[in-house]
Amino acid sequence: EPEVTQTPSHQVTQMGQEVILRCVPISNHLYFYWYRQILGQKVEFLVSFYNNEISEKSEIFDDQFSVERPDGSNFTLKIRSTKLEDSAMYFCASSITQDRGYGYTFGSGTRLTVV
Amino acid sequence: QKEVEQNSGPLSVPEGAIASLNCTYSDRGSQSFFWYRQYSGKSPELIMSIYSNGDKEDGRFTAQLNKASQYVSLLIRDSQPSDSATYLCAVNGVVFGAGTILRVKS
Repeated sequence: EPEVTQTPSHQVTQMGQEVILRCVPISNHLYFYWYRQILGQKVEFLVSFYNNEISEKSEIFDDQFSVERPDGSNFTLKIRSTKLEDSAMYFCASSITQDRGYGYTFGSGTRLTVV
Repeated sequence: QKEVEQNSGPLSVPEGAIASLNCTYSDRGSQSFFWYRQYSGKSPELIMSIYSNGDKEDGRFTAQLNKASQYVSLLIRDSQPSDSATYLCAVNGVVFGAGTILRVKS
């Protein structure tokens, strides 16, 4: 069964450092998403991306965040200057259509720890 | 502020029973609704989607939607210990509830 692949599975970084989280969506999917989940809290939407553009973003997705699809397969989330409160599990998801009735396939996540 | 509310639980049911999970949402214009299952330390896994009023069945799972009451539910028939997880309600793919912990006891 096709999977969304995320790397690394766990990243530890020092406060103020830049991190890039990587995702390989399912190959025929066109819509891509990033979510985060702080330990013990709800899943929070960050951003959706389609046709090389951000289509929607949340209040969390401020200037320190950016997304990119640098080639035909990877989808990245960059956090420019990490803060302690950025520590969370970050999930990438993809969907074949914008029809949200389909739901999204989530990757296994990257646990980001900012120290 | 768009909100999705779920009872945090835990909801405990015996093996073989029906588990009923509920969710309410604040945005009356919401169009699509999802139930995800999340095991501890894992990513959400889609169980059901629904976007028309009424019931939608898939195997042991039935999703129910009432847009007038802004209410979505998930019924799990013949609950199994492997169903023990946190069940997340999501609206329009962007607003998630905090989840209900389900424990199925054998």
